[in-house]
Amino acid sequence: GQNIDQPTEMTATEGAIVQINCTYQTSGFNGLFWYQQHAGEAPTFLSYNVLDGLEEKGRFSSFLSRSKGYSYLLLKELQMKDSASYLCAVRGLRDSSYKLIFGSGTRLLVRP
Amino acid sequence: DTGVSQDPRHKITKRGQNVTFRCDPISEHNRLYWYRQTLGQGPEFLTYFQNEAQLEKSRLLSDRFSAERPKGSFSTLEIQRTEQGDSAMYLCASSLLDRANEQFFGPGTRLTVL
Repeated sequence: GQNIDQPTEMTATEGAIVQINCTYQTSGFNGLFWYQQHAGEAPTFLSYNVLDGLEEKGRFSSFLSRSKGYSYLLLKELQMKDSASYLCAVRGLRDSSYKLIFGSGTRLLVRP
Repeated sequence: DTGVSQDPRHKITKRGQNVTFRCDPISEHNRLYWYRQTLGQGPEFLTYFQNEAQLEKSRLLSDRFSAERPKGSFSTLEIQRTEQGDSAMYLCASSLLDRANEQFFGPGTRLTVL
């Protein structure tokens, strides 16, 4: 089976740094994705990791440790518009459809 | 706007009625996915098309659900004899065959079954 865990809610202050963790257990692994979803809107792609290490893209960075089944999304210089749900998703190893298995999402509230 | 589009954005129906949703993927995207998302949860995979071929269906997709992509472009998702448990956001996503890493999502169709 496949299981993805991430915290339900987090709160942070504008201008600060926040780290959203994700742990996963899957039957094979072929990539981990982070998506941002504002309320009532479509998920939008943030990052993709398939090898261990840190991927940096502007204010957002994503880290992966395959041996630990662990990833985090790091958001720096938080802005009010970063208030959203952040979805962790994995793709199976022998999955030719490339479908994504999502966690329940972490609701981030950025306060002034 | 050249993103994924879905129609309608909202649908309210009575239990037992049939509903059909449409998804127009990004032009030239070979892969098309349907997901379902309920409040407070992440999207759950329903089915997948590569061009016009439906290659995978989730066990979530009961026999009341059917999806088509007749010409390998737009897709439809039909739910027959709707139940209150079908109330959810239905999301469509598309990607290129050779860049399958990134899926682009549409705005979704929110279904409410009364």
